Amino acid sequence: DAGVIQSPRHEVTEMGQEVTLRCKPISGHNSLFWYRQTMMRGLELLIYFNNNVPIDDSGMPEDRFSAKMPNASFSTLKIQPSEPRDSAVYFCASSHGYPEAFFGQGTRLTVV
Amino acid sequence: TQLLEQSPQFLSIQEGENLTVYCNSSSVFSSLQWYRQEPGEGPVLLVTVVTGGEVKKLKRLTFQFGDARKDSSLHITAAQPGDTGLYLCAGARSGGGADGLTFGKGTHLIIQP
Repeated sequence: DAGVIQSPRHEVTEMGQEVTLRCKPISGHNSLFWYRQTMMRGLELLIYFNNNVPIDDSGMPEDRFSAKMPNASFSTLKIQPSEPRDSAVYFCASSHGYPEAFFGQGTRLTVV
Repeated sequence: TQLLEQSPQFLSIQEGENLTVYCNSSSVFSSLQWYRQEPGEGPVLLVTVVTGGEVKKLKRLTFQFGDARKDSSLHITAAQPGDTGLYLCAGARSGGGADGLTFGKGTHLIIQP
């Protein structure tokens, strides 16, 4: 079975540009999580969805960040406008039965 | 905010040695998980411990959950270069239902041949 699929794997963009990260969760999983990982702060939960509904977005750093889950097989995390401090690895994870989470390979974002 | 402190942050040892890494909190968790992350990859779940005092073994890895469910340890026997990676612990705030995990910052482990 395919795991969590994220795209792109790497993204380099200029400050001020819009960035969209994509995620396809494992089929049948009803929870989806977006995390950000940096050396300084480790893994931080940004937002999670249950049955496609956003449950907790308290980890979203600013209004520049938004996430959607239009259906059970797709989610996006958008940053607009992007800033250099947004540079990090962004992970999507899904779960069929909390608390175990299955992670994608991540998107390494560099904002210059 | 429930924090998980992991120690040590970095550990480099020779192949064949034993080691223990720790995950501590002042908060009680309903369960705790250990993940291993290799460079360029996402974290991969190793084990979940649920009951206070529980011990689980995964080949050369032994995981223990503290009696009060506030802390955990991971012991590796006869470490091998393939054990190299970032070891993360994650605490679950509530049993059942969808919720996010609280992650520690991890222990960077390097096993030298």
